[in-house]
Amino acid sequence: EIVLTQSPATLSLSPGERATLSCRASQSVSGYVAWYQHKPGQAPRLLIYDVSNRATGIPDRFSGRGSGTDFTLTISSLEPEDFAVYYCQQRSNWPPDTFGQGTRLEIK
Amino acid sequence: QVQLVESGGGVVQPGKSLTLSCAASGFTFSTYSMHWVRQAPGKGLEWVALISHGGTSKYYADSVKGRFTISRDNSKNTLYLHISSLRAEDTAVYYCSRDFGELVVRYYMDVWGKGTKVTVSS
Repeated sequence: EIVLTQSPATLSLSPGERATLSCRASQSVSGYVAWYQHKPGQAPRLLIYDVSNRATGIPDRFSGRGSGTDFTLTISSLEPEDFAVYYCQQRSNWPPDTFGQGTRLEIK
Repeated sequence: QVQLVESGGGVVQPGKSLTLSCAASGFTFSTYSMHWVRQAPGKGLEWVALISHGGTSKYYADSVKGRFTISRDNSKNTLYLHISSLRAEDTAVYYCSRDFGELVVRYYMDVWGKGTKVTVSS
């Protein structure tokens, strides 16, 4: 079973700042990582798939990178609507638990 | 527009059963695999089940295997999740979601509903 560990658990930043969220896998997940944004009471939203590909309609301030076991989601300049919980997901080893525990991005 | 709307949640006693529904619109439902994902109070997302576009292949998380049954009716554009022998730990918001791939499973989820809440309590 592959375990995804996200860090930090909570990230406090101001609008306009750069956010860097980390996702580490317990073993290699190759190029099969996605990132989701989830706001309270709303549907989760696919941001990034296959490590670095933006989903349809996702602004280019969101970017993903990484390989093997270490992956990063970067938001280049935070907008007020970006404050949410972010989850990484792997699909290399399926079907187990696939999501990380989440990083809460809050307004400082 | 592409939309998923879940229904069927509520307060249910432990040991009882419940069936959740997810109505799909705005896309060709029969060509996409579908997932159920849940979120317990204060917890993160947990993948629950996957069904192939034709309904012939089904997969479950170990935590729900044997008690949860995923199914679909492509003529009604509807996805279902039957939950039996409900436990307190099944308390969660249940989301249905569309798999990213059409006719091939990609295991990512690109369209989500807003969820239906299930509370297991006596």
